[in-house]
Amino acid sequence: GQQLNQSPQSMFIQEGEDVSMNCTSSSIFNTWLWYKQDPGEGPVLLIALYKAGELTSNGRLTAQFGITRKDSFLNISASIPSDVGIYFCAGLYNYGQNFVFGPGTRLSVLP
Amino acid sequence: GAGVSQSPRYKVAKRGQDVALRCDPISGHVSLFWYQQALGQGPEFLTYFQNEAQLDKSGLPSDRFFAERPEGSVSTLKIQRTQQEDSAVYLCASSLSNTEAFFGQGTRLTVV
Repeated sequence: GQQLNQSPQSMFIQEGEDVSMNCTSSSIFNTWLWYKQDPGEGPVLLIALYKAGELTSNGRLTAQFGITRKDSFLNISASIPSDVGIYFCAGLYNYGQNFVFGPGTRLSVLP
Repeated sequence: GAGVSQSPRYKVAKRGQDVALRCDPISGHVSLFWYQQALGQGPEFLTYFQNEAQLDKSGLPSDRFFAERPEGSVSTLKIQRTQQEDSAVYLCASSLSNTEAFFGQGTRLTVV
């Protein structure tokens, strides 16, 4: 079946640093979503991408839909303590199908 | 309500007990998904509804798992004769047009 890989698995950064993480797939997707999950909570949607090459921002977050449609990137600028959590990418091939999730990138921000 | 609501938030079941988990999607959302999330992992797809029709149940791990959405709104995920390996967080998500999915807080099931 379809599988997504996320890297890095985990990262420790200093407050104020920029963060980059990515998501790759062996198959193409037509929609990419990025979520953040805090402990004990459900995933919260951060950014949605619908077109290859698309670059979308949401505050300090910027995500890109790779031109091959097999990858996506999420950048966080000037990290703050509340950015701590697990970031998941999810891909959707077509309407009527399910979203496939990656294993997540765990972000820790050191003061 | 404003978001996806799941109940109960926590459920402890004795092995062999049946459980029912409820999901209230965002009003008007056509699509509804159930996911299972094991500790430290990403959500794994269980089943998908479009209105009341269950279009995909390929992710249900065994015939002990059953989901329904009889009126195209509230959905129930039922697990019969629970086993320890069923312990996980069960997440429900809804979507208006399958372009974005919004999740509830999840139900943490612990089978003892």
